[in-house]
Parts: sequence; C-alpha cells; structure tokens
Amino acid sequence: GQNIDQPTEMTATEGAIVQINCTYQTSGFNGLFWYQQHAGEAPTFLSYNVLDGLEEKGRFSSFLSRSKGYSYLLLKELQMKDSASYLCAVLDSNYQLIWGAGTKLIIKP
Amino acid sequence: DVKVTQSSRYLVKRTGEKVFLECVQDMDHENMFWYRQDPGLGLRLIYFSYDVKMKEKGDIPEGYSVSREKKERFSLILESASTNQTSMYLCASSPGNMDNSPLHFGNGTRLTVT
Repeated sequence: GQNIDQPTEMTATEGAIVQINCTYQTSGFNGLFWYQQHAGEAPTFLSYNVLDGLEEKGRFSSFLSRSKGYSYLLLKELQMKDSASYLCAVLDSNYQLIWGAGTKLIIKP
Repeated sequence: DVKVTQSSRYLVKRTGEKVFLECVQDMDHENMFWYRQDPGLGLRLIYFSYDVKMKEKGDIPEGYSVSREKKERFSLILESASTNQTSMYLCASSPGNMDNSPLHFGNGTRLTVT
C-alpha cells in the first residue's frame, strides 16, 4: 500500500528552528509537496521537490532524498504566525496525490 | 491570483437530505477535485475531473456524486446525507492533466449531518 508518515504534533519556540519530517512509500514518484494550513483555512502551497537536495525559499527550506523516501521541511526564525498544520503529499506514478495526515506545529513565545 | 470559491463555509443538514456543495474557480483550470478532511487522517479524494462532463472516482466515492457541466464549476452531491459524512470538504483545482502543478484550494465547507 501507499503510505505517508509525518509526526502528529510538534512544539517549538519563537525565533528557533524546527524540522518537520516526512517519510513515504508510494507506487512511483513524481514529486513531493509541502502545504501549510492554518486552522479553519485552506491549505496553501509551500514547496515542491522532485530532485534530491535542498530547496530554499526565504525562511522555509525543503529537502528530498528519493533513495530514502524522505523529506523534511525546515522552518527558521520561527514566528507565531507559523503555528499551523504542515501537510506532506507525494505525487505517485499515476500523478495522483497521496497525503500525509499533517503535522500540527505549535509555536510558544 | 487563482481563486477557488466554495459556496458555503458551514452547513448543517439532516440525515437523509440531499446536499449540494458548490465550487467555482476563476483561472480556467482543467482539473478540479473534491476532498474530505478528517482529524488524524490525510486528505482523502472523493472525486475528480479533468474536463467538462468528465468525472473519475477517487478513493472514497461511496455516497457521493459529482457534476461538472461547466469548466469553472464542480459540484459535489450527497444523495442521502448520513452522520458519517460530517466532515470538512475541500475543493481544489490545478491547471492541466498529468502535471505537477500545485493545487489551489477553496476555504472549505464544514458540513454537519445530524
């Protein structure tokens, strides 16, 4: 079966760095997405990785290792507004998205 | 900027009622999707459509149907609502078929079936 695993909840301190991991087992691979979802709102696109390595976009970076079936989202200089759920999703060989359950990130002052 | 609009943010319906959830996108996207989101579970695909009048079943189509008569509009229909269909429903769109473009989501409809 196809499976995406990510931690259910994480807590971090304002100003710090946090890494949210995502491991996957899917039928084929055509890329991995990270989305941010604030409570009661729509998911919004953060990043897309299809090649191994690190993609940096401001305070957010996303890393992919296809051989390990592993990705992480790195958030630096955490702000209170970063409190949200972070969703990992993999595009399989049929271009269907497989979603993880999401990681709820709580930022404390 | 792509806008995906869902007609209702909150709905309360009774068991057995027929329920219509409407979704409209304004960027001429080919693909439209309906998901439901429940606590502790990933987004689950109900139905999707790659073109007008075309529909494909997702992972959990039972109890649902869809309609896409116009490119910009994708409707989700609960033929006879049941309490286990209480959930957050998210509509999404993306530009083309078999592509890796990110999805654009609506703000969701929280449906409660009593």
